[in-house]
Amino acid sequence: KAGVTQTPRYLIKTRGQQVTLSCSPISGHRSVSWYQQTPGQGLQFLFEYFSETRRNKGNFPGRFSGRQFSNSRSEMNVSTLELGDSALYLCASSGKDGAGSGNTIYFGEGSWLTVV
Amino acid sequence: AQTVTQSQPEMSVQEAETVTLSCTYDTSESDYYLFWYKQPPSRQMILVIRQEAYKQQNATENRFSVNFQKAAKSFSLKISDSQLGDAAMYFCAYRSALGGSNYKLTFGKGTLLTVNP
Repeated sequence: KAGVTQTPRYLIKTRGQQVTLSCSPISGHRSVSWYQQTPGQGLQFLFEYFSETRRNKGNFPGRFSGRQFSNSRSEMNVSTLELGDSALYLCASSGKDGAGSGNTIYFGEGSWLTVV
Repeated sequence: AQTVTQSQPEMSVQEAETVTLSCTYDTSESDYYLFWYKQPPSRQMILVIRQEAYKQQNATENRFSVNFQKAAKSFSLKISDSQLGDAAMYFCAYRSALGGSNYKLTFGKGTLLTVNP
């Protein structure tokens, strides 16, 4: 069974540009959440989507946005990139599947974003 | 808001020995979930163990076990018979059981575990 898949794995962007990251959840999972990981701030919650609706949002500026499609795949977008946006962006999915609990959150391998 | 504190930035253990990682949390909720995640150099977060707050019995998963003290808001992870592959950053995480808009993980800062051969 495939896990959470994130693309691209690595990318370099210039300040002021925008970036879109993609996440495909585990099959059957309907909840997708995003986290930012930096050495200074640690792991911080960005937002969570369920059935194409954003249910929860962390304390990030409006430059950070996301969406979820009908097949549960999710994208997050960061506009007007700043140097401080350099981070590992982790996607996670959760939802009832054949063998697991609806309460466990599974993570992808992350997308490394470097802003220069 | 809930907070999670891991007071040990780094720990080390000899191979085959036992090590305990500490975690405390603060919440006003009575029902919640606690997790330990492992993040090896590949940076993928791997679930190690989970504990439901309503369960008094401590969770165990093979060599991993927790000591859950609800009144003290403490949730430590014990790794027995440590192996070289256990070397990683370990994160303690909290999630409300309320669901809906509370469906998110709050993480501690992490503990870097080194396993010495």
